[in-house]
Amino acid sequence: SAVISQKPSRDICQRGTSLTIQCQVDSQVTMMFWYRQQPGQSLTLIATANQGSEATYESGFVIDKFPISRPNLTFSTLTVSNMSPEDSSIYLCSVLQEQETQYFGPGTRLLVL
Amino acid sequence: AQSVTQPDIHITVSEGASLELRCNYSYGATPYLFWYVQSPGQGLQLLLKYFSGDTLVQGIKGFEAEFKRSQSSFNLRKPSVHWSDAAEYFCAVGTQAGTALIFGKGTTLSVSS
Repeated sequence: SAVISQKPSRDICQRGTSLTIQCQVDSQVTMMFWYRQQPGQSLTLIATANQGSEATYESGFVIDKFPISRPNLTFSTLTVSNMSPEDSSIYLCSVLQEQETQYFGPGTRLLVL
Repeated sequence: AQSVTQPDIHITVSEGASLELRCNYSYGATPYLFWYVQSPGQGLQLLLKYFSGDTLVQGIKGFEAEFKRSQSSFNLRKPSVHWSDAAEYFCAVGTQAGTALIFGKGTTLSVSS
């Protein structure tokens, strides 16, 4: 399976600021996903990011709040904009590999004060 | 709409005892089924998956799961639990190839000595 890294691993941010999370994969993948895991909750899909096209957002998530870039087949970024304490979560990227299986990165733990 | 239910929020098992974590899904056809484990401070690790064929699937770390179509279930089992198995376990469903996963709320496993 692919080796996936995320930066930063964790951060503490002030409300009103923005944070860009990076997801790097050691092999080329077509489909990448961004999920949010709020404290004590399960994972919720934010958007699907395919290289060469605009990200597709799930209901309740908008591009102005969570802009995503996918410049090539091994990299993606998710920005959490104009943060509030409600954005405190773990943000995870995943990639789709063999037999439609998703593999996840280690996550970025965000605390907004 | 598709959904995944993990009825048990928290389970405590003695070390060396057997384990069964329940997962039920709602979907009209046979979905892709997954179990992931999340250790404290870590990302999600794939334990096993079911797409088709033999309904009893083997995974890593001695885990297995059985797909029962008649019960819409995909329960995870392990014959002898180790203290290192203490973690959060998520059941997930994929309804089409290449789509994002729908996760259950997770079951927290504690292992007592």
